[in-house]
Amino acid sequence: DSGVTQTPKHLITATGQRVTLRCSPRSGDLSVYWYQQSLDQGLQFLIQYYNGEERAKGNILERFSAQQFPDLHSELNLSSLELGDSALYFCASSARGTGGDEQFFGPGTRLTVL
Amino acid sequence: KNQVEQSPQSLIILEGKNCTLQCNYTVSPFSNLRWYKQDTGRGPVSLTIMTFSENTKSNGRYTATLDADTKQSSLHITASQLSDSASYICVVSRWSGGQNFVFGPGTRLSVLP
Repeated sequence: DSGVTQTPKHLITATGQRVTLRCSPRSGDLSVYWYQQSLDQGLQFLIQYYNGEERAKGNILERFSAQQFPDLHSELNLSSLELGDSALYFCASSARGTGGDEQFFGPGTRLTVL
Repeated sequence: KNQVEQSPQSLIILEGKNCTLQCNYTVSPFSNLRWYKQDTGRGPVSLTIMTFSENTKSNGRYTATLDADTKQSSLHITASQLSDSASYICVVSRWSGGQNFVFGPGTRLSVLP
């Protein structure tokens, strides 16, 4: 158990809908990262937050957005869902959000878009 | 183009044997290189993190090497165990106005009794 929690574990929805994925980092960690893992594209970095502020952006689509709240939990919002958005979404956390920080991954949320 | 390649794509070995997984990258500017172990359907677990100046790092039976000149890394697993069966993913971090992470496709390792 990494100490990172993600809810829900599974999510099934229809195309065009909007969903919110939630992540709670390890106690004491200030930085949160979001990743997408699909069968055809592997793992991709989406976005990083540090202490409530966006720190780095990866391959995140404009239909996706995220935020980190004052209690340090984070939410990833996915809208206008398409079939290709079906994937495992992982959240990770690290202490300081710097380059050499070890990241601890949560168990993931499996999103299925029908 | 920033890319990470891994070989072999899959590997089958017998319990107790050693193996070496390869990672080649063309990512720049280079920040660090990480190896992760990922069991099917679970989150990746960090094995090693190496910066430009480090060329070897160990974590138990796992030893990673880095040659920043040739942009190659390897992960050596000693005395394999059944629990080593997993995907091993090489990730290169680059710094460009903020961190970005480029993932390799992974090597699927199966350890048989």
